[in-house]
Amino acid sequence: SQTIHQWPATLVQPVGSPLSLECTVEGTSNPNLYWYRQAAGRGLQLLFYSVGIGQISSEVPQNLSASRPQDRQFILSSKKLLLSDSGFYLCAWGWSAYNEQFFGPGTRLTVL
Amino acid sequence: TQLLEQSPQFLSIQEGENLTVYCNSSSVFSSLQWYRQEPGEGPVLLVTVVTGGEVKKLKRLTFQFGDARKDSSLHITAAQPGDTGLYLCAGAMDAGNMLTFGGGTRLMVKP
Repeated sequence: SQTIHQWPATLVQPVGSPLSLECTVEGTSNPNLYWYRQAAGRGLQLLFYSVGIGQISSEVPQNLSASRPQDRQFILSSKKLLLSDSGFYLCAWGWSAYNEQFFGPGTRLTVL
Repeated sequence: TQLLEQSPQFLSIQEGENLTVYCNSSSVFSSLQWYRQEPGEGPVLLVTVVTGGEVKKLKRLTFQFGDARKDSSLHITAAQPGDTGLYLCAGAMDAGNMLTFGGGTRLMVKP
């Protein structure tokens, strides 16, 4: 069966510091990978998606970047965090023709 | 303006009551999914509907896809406290693996 991991689970960072969030998937090959951000108790905003190694598409211009160095690894980064980067970050994988996506446990980021 | 509008945004009911959550759009979707999310966790896929008029049942939950594939509903019968959570609908406009999410409906079922 497939599993998806995210770490860290929670993170508190000062404004201006760098960021690296990691997501890995097990049990599947060549998945589509996604990074979302969720405001408190609301819907999901797609940040980045990847259909293969080194292939990244950005949906929203922002202070963040993403990389996919390996088939089942997806990294979300920032060089300098802003207060507005605070939120709940979710990684997801998908592959089916019906666009089903499966989510990781999320990372709660607080920028102070 | 969201492509997928969910209503209501918040719903608080007593255990045993029935409820319906709506997901509406002016766009046609090739497939639509419903997720449930608990605080501090990732969304969990409940169901996928792909055919206009399709109805799927998952125990006390009934999901329907509109005939024109522009809307969907989730009906819960005899709600229980364990149904509490954030319900999200998400639609795909083509087979390109991109989903558009609704704003969510936060449900609280009181014992």
